[in-house]
Amino acid sequence: DSGVTQTPKHLITATGQRVTLRCSPRSGDLSVYWYQQSLDQGLQFLIQYYNGEERAKGNILERFSAQQFPDLHSELNLSSLELGDSALYFCASSYSGRANEQYFGPGTRLTVT
Amino acid sequence: AQTVTQSQPEMSVQEAETVTLSCTYDTSESDYYLFWYKQPPSRQMILVIRQEAYKQQNATENRFSVNFQKAAKSFSLKISDSQLGDAAMYFCAFAGGSNYKLTFGKGTLLTVNP
Repeated sequence: DSGVTQTPKHLITATGQRVTLRCSPRSGDLSVYWYQQSLDQGLQFLIQYYNGEERAKGNILERFSAQQFPDLHSELNLSSLELGDSALYFCASSYSGRANEQYFGPGTRLTVT
Repeated sequence: AQTVTQSQPEMSVQEAETVTLSCTYDTSESDYYLFWYKQPPSRQMILVIRQEAYKQQNATENRFSVNFQKAAKSFSLKISDSQLGDAAMYFCAFAGGSNYKLTFGKGTLLTVNP
């Protein structure tokens, strides 16, 4: 158990819908990273937050957004969902925004039908 | 931009034997870190080992060790005394630059034969 929690574990929804994925980092960790794992794109970095502020953006679509709250949990919002958004979404946390080890949550498997 | 290449899509090893997984990377950064992550069928991403680029000594964690060749930009993972529980997808990852996001290779699927 990495100490990072993600909910829900599985999510099935229809095209055009909006979903929210939630992540709670390890106790004491200030930085949260979101990654997407799909068959065709592999593991890709989406976005990073550090102590409530956006630190970096990767290949994140405009339909996707995220935030980190004062209690340091983070949410990833996916809207106008398309079939191609079906993937495993991971949250990872680390103590700082630097290369302390990133510890991954169990992931949320999103299926868009 | 950083790139990470894992040239072996699949590898197999006999139980108790040793196997080496290859990884090369490309970067212009001088300060960076390299990692190996394991993803078993449960899909959980598990950190196996980490190497700081400024350290010449190769990292080791029990049966797992790396061969870090900075000039060649090579970072291989050696698994000794392979166990059935080592069967998984292994990802090499790079972290550096301004935000230390992880850039992953495409992975190597390791099968351990009894």
